[in-house]
Amino acid sequence: LAKTTQPISMDSYEGQEVNITCSHNNIATNDYITWYQQFPSQGPRFIIQGYKTKVTNEVASLFIPADRKSSTLSLPRVSLSDTAVYYCLVGPSGGSYIPTFGRGTSLIVHP
Amino acid sequence: GAVVSQHPSRVICKSGTSVKIECRSLDFQATTMFWYRQFPKKSLMLMATSNEGSKATYEQGVEKDKFLINHASLTLSTLTVTSAHPEDSSFYICSARGGQVSGNTIYFGEGSWLTVV
Repeated sequence: LAKTTQPISMDSYEGQEVNITCSHNNIATNDYITWYQQFPSQGPRFIIQGYKTKVTNEVASLFIPADRKSSTLSLPRVSLSDTAVYYCLVGPSGGSYIPTFGRGTSLIVHP
Repeated sequence: GAVVSQHPSRVICKSGTSVKIECRSLDFQATTMFWYRQFPKKSLMLMATSNEGSKATYEQGVEKDKFLINHASLTLSTLTVTSAHPEDSSFYICSARGGQVSGNTIYFGEGSWLTVV
């Protein structure tokens, strides 16, 4: 199971782009990278998932370099409501994969 | 995306009683469901994995007789905290995977706050 490392906390200001990087040096060939957002007293919410290169949806982009040993979640023009904890999970599709969480990155967006 | 719903969102029970939390996958069949516990400002701690129709697999240190998990159908899993004590007070979260709607992705419920008094 690929271990992930993320910064514990980050600070930003409204309107800025925020990039959160996750290191996963021992990612396996069949592993996907998934990012979740969690607000206090709520379950994690799926943000984006990718395997390689770049994935973009209506809320974020995910950049994955060719060696796949890291990934970067990019949040464009953050607002106060983006203040949350962001988790990076790495694991295979389906099968017996059991999702386990690291400490995540606590993002605080300031006015 | 797929929807996973938990009920109740908040429950208060007396010490010594049992309380049940339900986790439902609303628009897909969940072959596998996971239960987590989360303390304030801490990460999610996996308690157990349940596959439909099978006994749950508990993580080390989690008492299976205290935290009863049932996954009787492809859309419902329940967590029953038996003989609850104040130290069982926590935020419990379920997640589910499986089916065409969910695909590779695991989706989470809203969480349930349990307070034991």
